[in-house]
Amino acid sequence: GAGVSQSPSNKVTEKGKDVELRCDPISGHTALYWYRQSLGQGLEFLIYFQGNSAPDKSGLPSDRFSAERTGGSVSTLTIQRTQQEDSAVYLCASSSRTGNTEAFFGQGTRLTVV
Amino acid sequence: LAKTTQPISMDSYEGQEVNITCSHNNIATNDYITWYQQFPSQGPRFIIQGYKTKVTNEVASLFIPADRKSSTLSLPRVSLSDTAVYYCLVGDQASSASKIIFGSGTRLSIRP
Repeated sequence: GAGVSQSPSNKVTEKGKDVELRCDPISGHTALYWYRQSLGQGLEFLIYFQGNSAPDKSGLPSDRFSAERTGGSVSTLTIQRTQQEDSAVYLCASSSRTGNTEAFFGQGTRLTVV
Repeated sequence: LAKTTQPISMDSYEGQEVNITCSHNNIATNDYITWYQQFPSQGPRFIIQGYKTKVTNEVASLFIPADRKSSTLSLPRVSLSDTAVYYCLVGDQASSASKIIFGSGTRLSIRP
């Protein structure tokens, strides 16, 4: 596709369930980011996939959060044993090269934990 | 990473020029200055990026003084649709480990 695609756009899950959020970056983009944005707040950095280097996981809030990027393209963010405080919009972005601060964002996945 | 400081909020009126200033006192030699715009319920959108002096595109202008310790995003003749949160950030374009970190942003409200 022409832009960054995220799915699902909305997800409602029960507390304690696991969820997977998907991101399809722009084709050829080597850098991929995940962020979390709670209502009315700024963007919280979660993880940065930087090409073939090990991902920067310094922003993941707990070991319930993990992410993979397969084949240098699609990425999946997994949240295990979801809690109500995990409710937020999860945003994915990609950039044409690592270190480039011009990134393109998807529309996000709104996660609601009930 | 150089920390940025910008006003929490600003108000203006349609047709006015709006200038949002960002401070980045610890900017490093290889850091570029980038601004993003975020509308409600959307992901941020890249607006403009610069290293020094002045950069202009169809959306905005970016003014960077010689010491590069601050930058000013200028939006000419704003309209209601410019109501958004504007983020300033700095990053080392030469380092693959440099990641995009957002601050709190400036919430700009445009009134009729």
